[in-house]
Amino acid sequence: AQTVTQSQPEMSVQEAETVTLSCTYDTSESDYYLFWYKQPPSRQMILVIRQEAYKQQNATENRFSVNFQKAAKSFSLKISDSQLGDAAMYFCAYRRPGNQFYFGTGTSLTVIP
Amino acid sequence: ETGVTQTPRHLVMGMTNKKSLKCEQHLGHNAMYWYKQSAKKPLELMFVYNFKEQTENNSVPSRFSPECPNSSHLFLHLHTLQPEDSALYLCASSQTLAELTDTQYFGPGTRLTVL
Repeated sequence: AQTVTQSQPEMSVQEAETVTLSCTYDTSESDYYLFWYKQPPSRQMILVIRQEAYKQQNATENRFSVNFQKAAKSFSLKISDSQLGDAAMYFCAYRRPGNQFYFGTGTSLTVIP
Repeated sequence: ETGVTQTPRHLVMGMTNKKSLKCEQHLGHNAMYWYKQSAKKPLELMFVYNFKEQTENNSVPSRFSPECPNSSHLFLHLHTLQPEDSALYLCASSQTLAELTDTQYFGPGTRLTVL
């Protein structure tokens, strides 16, 4: 069974500082994709960043980067220079070949001015 | 945020009511999904449609009935719901089901309350 675990229900960060959100997953597949989605208070979920399991290089999108440790099945999200607009629920997701997405329970990020 | 729209945004219904949720995507995608989002739980995939055909039903109770008349529209018909069905129902779409790289695009959700 594939599961995604986000062990931090809530996190906070000072504006302009860096925060790391944790995610671990369980799979027996060798090829898959990992995603981080952001759900602001307006509730529309949007993609932040994604990583293919076969790529060793960590994905980066502006202030967002991941630390992908395949052997450890860990996929953390680092947000640098945090901004007030980064406040949201962040969901880690795993997609295996075929179709199914599996989501974690989410981490609620608060940005303190 | 207008790629995937959902109506209504909020719905309150009694257990004996019949209502429908609507989702429309303007992205030219071929796959559409219904998810249930409850507090402190992972998103639960309910149904998947690919080219209007249902490809997945994750053991969803029959009081939830999906309908996909074309690749752009997805409905969720609700009948005789229970209070525990209260949740945020999210619609999503993606280009295909086949490619791992395909990103899902989500709608804003319908907040459903069952009294």
